Amino acid sequence: SQTIHQWPATLVQPVGSPLSLECTVEGTSNPNLYWYRQAAGRGLQLLFYSVGIGQISSEVPQNLSASRPQDRQFILSSKKLLLSDSGFYLCAWTPSRWGYTFGSGTRLTVV
Amino acid sequence: GQQVMQIPQYQHVQEGEDFTTYCNSSTTLSNIQWYKQRPGGHPVFLIQLVKSGEVKKQKRLTFQFGEAKKNSSLHITATQTTDVGTYFCAGPLGGNNRKLIWGLGTSLAVNP
Repeated sequence: SQTIHQWPATLVQPVGSPLSLECTVEGTSNPNLYWYRQAAGRGLQLLFYSVGIGQISSEVPQNLSASRPQDRQFILSSKKLLLSDSGFYLCAWTPSRWGYTFGSGTRLTVV
Repeated sequence: GQQVMQIPQYQHVQEGEDFTTYCNSSTTLSNIQWYKQRPGGHPVFLIQLVKSGEVKKQKRLTFQFGEAKKNSSLHITATQTTDVGTYFCAGPLGGNNRKLIWGLGTSLAVNP
C-alpha cells in the first residue's frame, strides 16, 4: 500500500535561519507531489507541485523553494526564514484522478 | 478568478443533530472532492463526485453534486463527537486536475 512520510512533525526556527522539510512517498511511482501551507484556522494554500523529477511549478511568489531530486522525494526549502513563513506545511501526493493523500504535516514556528 | 465558497464557516451542534455544509463554485467543476481535517491533524480524503446530480453516501454522510456542477453539499445525519473537525471541498483549478482550488472549510463542533 502507498504511504507518505513527512518530517519533522514540529519545528521552531529563528528568523533568518534556513529550512528543509522532506517528504517521501512509498508504494507508488511517478506520483504528483504537492506542498501546501495552512495558516492557523485558515484554508489550504498550494505552494508547489511536481509531476516528475526536477519538474517544479511554483504557485505563489515567496521565500520558499522546492526540489524533487528523486521520483518519490519532495523537499521544501528556504535560505532565510521570515516570521510570515510560520504555518502548517503539508505534503500530498495523488495518482492522476483520485483525491490527495496528505502527510501528517510539519508545524513550523518562526521566532 | 475562480473561487470556491463554503458556508457556514463554523457550526456548533448538539450530538444527534444533523449538519450540512455547502460548497459553491464560481465556475463549473469537472469534479468535486471532500476532505475532513480533525483538530491538529491533516486533511483526509473522503470522496470525489464527478457526475451532475450525483449523490453518494458513506454511512451517516451524504454527498451531493449539483445539476449544474457548480455546487455541492455534505450532510451528516445524527452527528457524533467523532464528526468534529473541519470539512473542506475542493475542485480542479481551471480544469487542471493536477491543481485544486479549496474552500476555506466548515468547522464543526459537536456538544456531547
